[in-house]
Amino acid sequence: EVQLVESGGGLVQPGGSLRLSCAASGFTFSSYWMSWVRQAPGKGLEWVATIKPDGSEKYYVDSVKGRFTISRDYARNSLFLQMNSLRAEDTAVYYCARYTRPFDYWGQGTLVTVSS
Amino acid sequence: DIQMTQSPSSVSASVGDRVTITCRASQDISSWLAWYQQKPGKAPNLLIYAASSLHSGVPSRFSGTGSGTDFTLTISSLQPEDFATYYCQQANSFPITFGQGTRLEIK
Repeated sequence: EVQLVESGGGLVQPGGSLRLSCAASGFTFSSYWMSWVRQAPGKGLEWVATIKPDGSEKYYVDSVKGRFTISRDYARNSLFLQMNSLRAEDTAVYYCARYTRPFDYWGQGTLVTVSS
Repeated sequence: DIQMTQSPSSVSASVGDRVTITCRASQDISSWLAWYQQKPGKAPNLLIYAASSLHSGVPSRFSGTGSGTDFTLTISSLQPEDFATYYCQQANSFPITFGQGTRLEIK
């Protein structure tokens, strides 16, 4: 059974940093593209970032370029999102998702709140 | 960037009704279109991929059609558990984009 479990969310001040983690199980993690998708309170879904299976290609939505970094650790079967220079508009539930063109499996999400 | 536009934004229907939601892409995306269902407080669930392929475990009352720029999601006979928000998403190219969502409410 495919499982994706996010962690690392919380309350952070504007300008601060946070690192999200996603533990993957039930499939061969090193063979799949992986992504982060977020959803601001009461809003729709927004794709954030995607990483190729071997980590050689990474893609980001314009609004996070230069601030967020997606990465993966094959030994720990984990996906990460390093978020720097956080803004109020980054407040959202962040979902980890496996990307097979579509997003076929999702985690339960972790809430990030950027506020002073 | 490819813009995805869903209609309607919300719809009211009754159990047993047939409901159709449309999604239009701002440029040709071939069949790289997916549909998701999301219930309050939960992660989205994949329903349809490649415009018309049913994801594993999804009931056959859900179906998808279309290619190019115009797509539809149809629920043939609404069940109580189908009242939720539905999103389309293009997988043709980065940046990946979603429609704004269609809220399906009980009449």
